[in-house]
Amino acid sequence: GQQVMQIPQYQHVQEGEDFTTYCNSSTTLSNIQWYKQRPGGHPVFLIQLVKSGEVKKQKRLTFQFGEAKKNSSLHITATQTTDVGTYFCYTNAGKSTFGDGTTLTVKP
Amino acid sequence: GAGVSQTPSNKVTEKGKYVELRCDPISGHTALYWYRQSLGQGPEFLIYFQGTGAADDSGLPNDRFFAVRPEGSVSTLKIQRTERGDSAVYLCASSPSPDRGEQYFGPGTRLTVT
Repeated sequence: GQQVMQIPQYQHVQEGEDFTTYCNSSTTLSNIQWYKQRPGGHPVFLIQLVKSGEVKKQKRLTFQFGEAKKNSSLHITATQTTDVGTYFCYTNAGKSTFGDGTTLTVKP
Repeated sequence: GAGVSQTPSNKVTEKGKYVELRCDPISGHTALYWYRQSLGQGPEFLIYFQGTGAADDSGLPNDRFFAVRPEGSVSTLKIQRTERGDSAVYLCASSPSPDRGEQYFGPGTRLTVT
């Protein structure tokens, strides 16, 4: 069935360093969404990407959708302690599927 | 406005018992999803409603799990003959778009089967 794989599983950074998480699929995706889940919280929607090669920015966050629509990335510039949490990619192309997430910890 | 609410927030039950978990979506949202999440994993899809009907129930693990949404708003997830492996956080989400756009999640119900 449809699967999206995320790497890395964990990322520990020093505050101020950059962070990137990747989401990969073996099949073409009609769209991809990104969510953030704080420790003890629930997933919160960040962005949806639908076009090949699309790039969207939200302040320090940059989201990309690959040209082949099989991969996506989320990049955070100059991380802050408020960025801690788990970042999930999600697709509803076929079955609703979340990746297993990348957990970001930030050392002040 | 009010977000998605779920009740109860915590439920402890004995193996073999029946449980019901409730979800109140954001008013006017036509799409409603149920997921369950285990520690260290992403939400696992269970079922998706569009209006009153289950548009996709392919994620329900077996026939002990059933969900309803009789009036197209509130939904109830029902689990019969609970097993210890059912222990997880059960998340509900609603979406405004019939094209299955962004989802708004509730706080979840933590189910523990002893």
